[in-house]
Amino acid sequence: NAGVTQTPKFRVLKTGQSMTLLCAQDMNHEYMYWYRQDPGMGLRLIHYSVGEGTTAKGEVPDGYNVSRLKKQNFLLGLESAAPSQTSVYFCASSLTGGNYGYTFGSGTRLTVV
Amino acid sequence: KQEVTQIPAALSVPEGENLVLNCSFTDSAIYNLQWFRQDPGKGLTSLLLIQSSQREQTSGRLNASLDKSSGRSTLYIAASQPGDSATYLCAVIFPGTYKYIFGTGTRLKVLA
Repeated sequence: NAGVTQTPKFRVLKTGQSMTLLCAQDMNHEYMYWYRQDPGMGLRLIHYSVGEGTTAKGEVPDGYNVSRLKKQNFLLGLESAAPSQTSVYFCASSLTGGNYGYTFGSGTRLTVV
Repeated sequence: KQEVTQIPAALSVPEGENLVLNCSFTDSAIYNLQWFRQDPGKGLTSLLLIQSSQREQTSGRLNASLDKSSGRSTLYIAASQPGDSATYLCAVIFPGTYKYIFGTGTRLKVLA
């Protein structure tokens, strides 16, 4: 059982380039989340979704967009990458609103130069 | 503001020692609390989940307790091993939300 799968695992972008990070879960979870993790800052919520077709802003949404066209997939887009978006990005999912905890993917390490 | 704090930020202990990691939160009426482990360069692995109606959870050498009235949770690791070396993160869901807020973690090193 795969759980939560993130692709790609590593990526280097030039400033101004765009890219999409994919998160896929096979546990039929309703809720999905995108976090970024930076040294000294902990994990901060970027965007989240409470079900297929829904998205909502988290703590640090600026510069990112998301889509949840299918229940199992949650996409995070960077339209014009900036060095400040260099980070490790984690996707998580939960069956309901965290009542049974979160399951995390293994992360995407993104460097913007 | 709802916050989660973990102290100390780093801890180094000799192998075999029993140890306690601390997590404090600003609102006593939490929904639930989850402890995670993160190895360097890796994702987060769930260790224990404590729901608001529970006082503690146990898994092997790990025991997590929850005291909502004091706004604290502790993760107890018995007979620590070098393989326990990792960063331990505490995350809390506060009422009215369904999103975890994370502490910044405690980086544990168990010396052989």
